[in-house]
Amino acid sequence: DTGVSQDPRHKITKRGQNVTFRCDPISEHNRLYWYRQTLGQGPEFLTYFQNEAQLEKSRLLSDRFSAERPKGSFSTLEIQRTEQGDSAMYLCASSLDHGTAKTNYGYTFGSGTRLTVV
Amino acid sequence: QQPVQSPQAVILREGEDAVINCSSSKALYSVHWYRQKHGEAPVFLMILLKGGEQKGHEKISASFNEKKQQSSLYLTASQLSYSGTYFCGPVYGGSQGNLIFGKGTKLSVKP
Repeated sequence: DTGVSQDPRHKITKRGQNVTFRCDPISEHNRLYWYRQTLGQGPEFLTYFQNEAQLEKSRLLSDRFSAERPKGSFSTLEIQRTEQGDSAMYLCASSLDHGTAKTNYGYTFGSGTRLTVV
Repeated sequence: QQPVQSPQAVILREGEDAVINCSSSKALYSVHWYRQKHGEAPVFLMILLKGGEQKGHEKISASFNEKKQQSSLYLTASQLSYSGTYFCGPVYGGSQGNLIFGKGTKLSVKP
């Protein structure tokens, strides 16, 4: 297994455009997470999936953000009508969880997609 | 709720020790620790579970104090490779298990 893959690595877009990022988790991991990180800050939680079900979405997250994980495999994160404040590194992570509500396994992060909105 | 990490930054000479603390205002179920080097993704170091033992990774160990709702990361005889930003990520008793990371502690180890 090659770890968590994210595509693209870099994205430059004009304000107002829509962008979509893809994440391929480690195949046996049933949990997938999206985080956003800006310079000098810790990763900020956006949303997460258990298999194909989106279990939680940050209350701070704008309605312009949406994520899917069809069939419980790869996931996409879409940002509509991008704003300059959306510029950040978008990190995807996956983990194996044995089905209870608690996370007892570490996350494996992908290398991220760096979004620049101009 | 975001945990509070202290200190925000620390500079060490090779071979020196350091302690990084992570405090929560809510009851903890477990605490994750990650290290992120500049320009790279965070890397999982260890997880401390409620009622579990102190964990270790290389010469890095951690403890979990349930009563104080706090975890501490101990870096012993630091090496240059320990440089990076350390994040704690508590899992709270009532949450579904997603991590809310602290702001991080930047560790610089000098020769």
